[in-house]
Amino acid sequence: EIVLTQSPGTLSLSPGERATLSCRASQTISSSYLTWYQQKPGQSPRLLIYGASTRATSIPDRFSGSGSGTDFTLTISRLEPEDFAVYYCQHYGSSLWTFGQGTRVEIK
Amino acid sequence: QVQLQESGPGLVKPSETLSLTCAVSGYSITSGYYWDWIRQAPGKGLEWIGSIYHSGIIYYNPSLTSRVTISVDTSKNQFSLKLSSVTAADTAMYYCARHPTSGMSSGSIDSWGQGTLITVSS
Repeated sequence: EIVLTQSPGTLSLSPGERATLSCRASQTISSSYLTWYQQKPGQSPRLLIYGASTRATSIPDRFSGSGSGTDFTLTISRLEPEDFAVYYCQHYGSSLWTFGQGTRVEIK
Repeated sequence: QVQLQESGPGLVKPSETLSLTCAVSGYSITSGYYWDWIRQAPGKGLEWIGSIYHSGIIYYNPSLTSRVTISVDTSKNQFSLKLSSVTAADTAMYYCARHPTSGMSSGSIDSWGQGTLITVSS
C-alpha cells in the first residue's frame, strides 16, 4: 500500500508570498496518477492539478505542480486571499486511491 | 454540467447499516466515468471508500471491503453506498464523485457532490 506524506502540516504565509507544498510517496509512483486538490472550509475538494503537473480547467497559472518518483511539489507562486485553504495530494494505482493527510495554508 | 447530489438519513445508530444515494444530473451515468464514494471525518483528511462502473465493475478500499456495498441504478441515473455495522468512527461527511475511465486525468476526481454529513450515535 502506498502512503502519501504531505509536509508541512501547516504553512503560514502572507498574501503575495510563494507557497511550496510537498507530497512524498512511500514508493515510486507514476506521475501520471498524482493529483492535487484544494479544499476550502465547508466546501468539497476541487481538482487543481492532475498528472503531477497539468492544471485542471479554469485553474489559474499561479498554481503549478512538479515532481517524479517519490517526491512531488505543489507551488503557488503568489498567494491570493482565496488560496488560503487545505491542499491534498492523491495517488491512483492498481484500482486503489490514496490521499495525503493535507497541508493547511493559513494567513500569517 | 454534471451535478451530483448525495442523500441520506443524517443520523445512524451504532451497529446499523448506513445507506446513501447519489443522484447524477446533467450527465449519463453510463458514459465514460467511474462513480466514487469518499468520506471525510470531522477535521480529518479524505478517505476513498470505493468506485463503481455502470457495467458493475467495483473497487473497494481494502480497509472497508468487508462492510461496504456500492451499487448503480442506470434507470434512475444514480448510485448508492451501503456501509454495515457502523460505529462512531464512521461519522463523517460522505461525498459522491466521479473520475474518467481513460485519458490523462483518469486518476483524478473531476466532480464532487456537496457532501452529506452522517453521524453515528445512539
